[in-house]
Amino acid sequence: EVQLLESGGDLVQSGGSLRLSCAASGFTFRSYAMSWVRQTPRKGLEWVAGISGVGLGATYADSVRGRFTISRDNSKNTLYLQMNSLRAEDTAMYYCARDPGKQCGGDCHYFDDWGQGTLVTVSS
Amino acid sequence: DIQMTQSPSTLSASVGDRVTLTCRASQSFNSWLAWYQQKPGKAPKLLIYKASNLQSGVPSRFSGSGSGTKFTLTISSLQPDDFASYYCQQYFSFPYTFGEGTKLEIK
Repeated sequence: EVQLLESGGDLVQSGGSLRLSCAASGFTFRSYAMSWVRQTPRKGLEWVAGISGVGLGATYADSVRGRFTISRDNSKNTLYLQMNSLRAEDTAMYYCARDPGKQCGGDCHYFDDWGQGTLVTVSS
Repeated sequence: DIQMTQSPSTLSASVGDRVTLTCRASQSFNSWLAWYQQKPGKAPKLLIYKASNLQSGVPSRFSGSGSGTKFTLTISSLQPDDFASYYCQQYFSFPYTFGEGTKLEIK
């Protein structure tokens, strides 16, 4: 059974930093691209960042590029999101999500498994 | 960026009803669309990919169709477990964008 377990969400002041983690199990982690997707009641679901299975390619939404860094440690089956220069508008539930890959013969860019989420609150 | 617009924002229906949810894109693309179901306090769950392909384990009462700028998700006979929010997502072009969702309520 695929399991994705996020952690690291917290209350942080504007301008601060936070690192989110997502521990994966139940599948061959290095074989799958992964993403972070966030959700707020006001803006809904927003794809934030993605990374290839081997960790060589990373992409970012314009809203976070230059402030957030996605990375992974395949030896630990863990995905990370380093969040710097946090703003009030980064307040959201953050989900890690798996790209099914094999359904598309490559990276699909939709998501077949999601974690339960970790809440980030940025106070201004 | 491709904007995804879902309608209606809220839909009231009864168990056994057939319902259709709509997702419109600001630009035309082929079939690079996914549908998700989300219940309160839970993560989204993939229902449909490539506009009409049913994800493994999803009941056959769910179906998707469409291409170009209009896509639909149909539930043929609503079950109590189906009352939730539904989101579409395009993955035709970067950045991958979601619709604002349709909340399906019990009438």
